[in-house]
Amino acid sequence: SSELTQDPAVSVALGQTVRITCQGDSLRSYFASWYQQKPGQAPVLVFYGKNNRPSGIPDRFSGSSSGNTASLTITGAQAEDEADYYCNSRDSNGNHWVFGGGTKLTVL
Amino acid sequence: EVQLVESGGGLVQPGGSLRLSCAASGLTFSSYSMNWVRQAPGKGLEWVSYISSSSSTIYYADSVKGRFTISRDNAKNSLYLQMNSLRDEDTAVYYCARDQTDGYNYYFDYWGQGTLVTVSS
Repeated sequence: SSELTQDPAVSVALGQTVRITCQGDSLRSYFASWYQQKPGQAPVLVFYGKNNRPSGIPDRFSGSSSGNTASLTITGAQAEDEADYYCNSRDSNGNHWVFGGGTKLTVL
Repeated sequence: EVQLVESGGGLVQPGGSLRLSCAASGLTFSSYSMNWVRQAPGKGLEWVSYISSSSSTIYYADSVKGRFTISRDNAKNSLYLQMNSLRDEDTAVYYCARDQTDGYNYYFDYWGQGTLVTVSS
């Protein structure tokens, strides 16, 4: 089955911009979706597809994709953005879903 | 407001069985495919299983295939996961999540709060 690879940890200074990346072969066929998870809480969808942000998600969250890499960018990171972020896509066969290992974002 | 509420978790011995439920409200449940996703303590998310709106299409992760069975009752707005032959590595919080697709984008837009399954002797 396919795998999605994320950096385990990333840090950003308050108010600065950070990019969280996700790599995998399945991303050549399917767009990624991105989930934010804070300790003790369920994941929350923050971005999906080529350019889709769910209602209620701040516009500082954006996404992009190129080749086998998808990215989630937070422009002007806030303290409340500190969380784990997971990417997800269907696998290359289209009959499984796969999550990246997650990126722990620290806002300094 | 869409709500997904899982139940049925608990402590079970290795080799035992457990049935999880997910009660849905605030949506036309019969119109949506659903998924189970789990998260072992301190670990990342792992997709477990998918069921289409009519139950005609079902998929499982390799790690649970042959041991877990997903099902739904659209009349009761409920999703289920029958878990048999449980192993220590099945210990996790289990989430149900609504599946969304427009044929181009695929994502899970609503999640329950999860139910904890602990497999231990």
